[in-house]
Amino acid sequence: ETGVTQTPRHLVMGMTNKKSLKCEQHLGHNAMYWYKQSAKKPLELMFVYSLEERVENNSVPSRFSPECPNSSHLFLHLHTLQPEDSALYLCASSQSGGRNQPQHFGDGTRLSIL
Amino acid sequence: EDQVTQSPEALRLQEGESSSLNCSYTVSGLRGLFWYRQDPGKGPEFLFTLYSAGEEKEKERLKATLTKKESFLHITAPKPEDSATYLCAAGVTGAGSYQLTFGKGTKLSVIP
Repeated sequence: ETGVTQTPRHLVMGMTNKKSLKCEQHLGHNAMYWYKQSAKKPLELMFVYSLEERVENNSVPSRFSPECPNSSHLFLHLHTLQPEDSALYLCASSQSGGRNQPQHFGDGTRLSIL
Repeated sequence: EDQVTQSPEALRLQEGESSSLNCSYTVSGLRGLFWYRQDPGKGPEFLFTLYSAGEEKEKERLKATLTKKESFLHITAPKPEDSATYLCAAGVTGAGSYQLTFGKGTKLSVIP
């Protein structure tokens, strides 16, 4: 496996379900990110984990809960989601540093809320 | 508020017809301007990083340039396989080393 791998690629769930998205990076990076991509909108940063520190966008609802057990793995736990949460969820990783380093993305999880 | 605006929203070109995509930014302290390509059903693929005004980067038919207010992605003699959505993102200070502000993208279609 190379690059950034996300599973599952597609997920359909009801509003009362609990599910988790998984991301794994094989690039030796030390920062990982969750983004939300909705139609006609820019990518929206949800969470950042860097050197075991978490930075989050304060507008992200609490029904999204990230977990980063180590520098290679990132999870996004989902519970009681709303229809407007249907979107493509992208994971990315980068090497942290003094200047912004390019982020490398996985192919995303397409989430549909019934 | 940091903003990145891309134009046009969509662009149709005949194969071989060169053109440019625009990315204008209003950010406090640019720490890198990034270009990505995104194909349908895929995640964004990194193309270029530009760090200072006047800098240029090239890759095959693509050339990215940067001024103090905007960046251009020039596409020379495009082919159908260049069809994709091109995303621009600005890295900003004051939000840690890890904040990228993205534009909405330009959807490029190259017609044979």
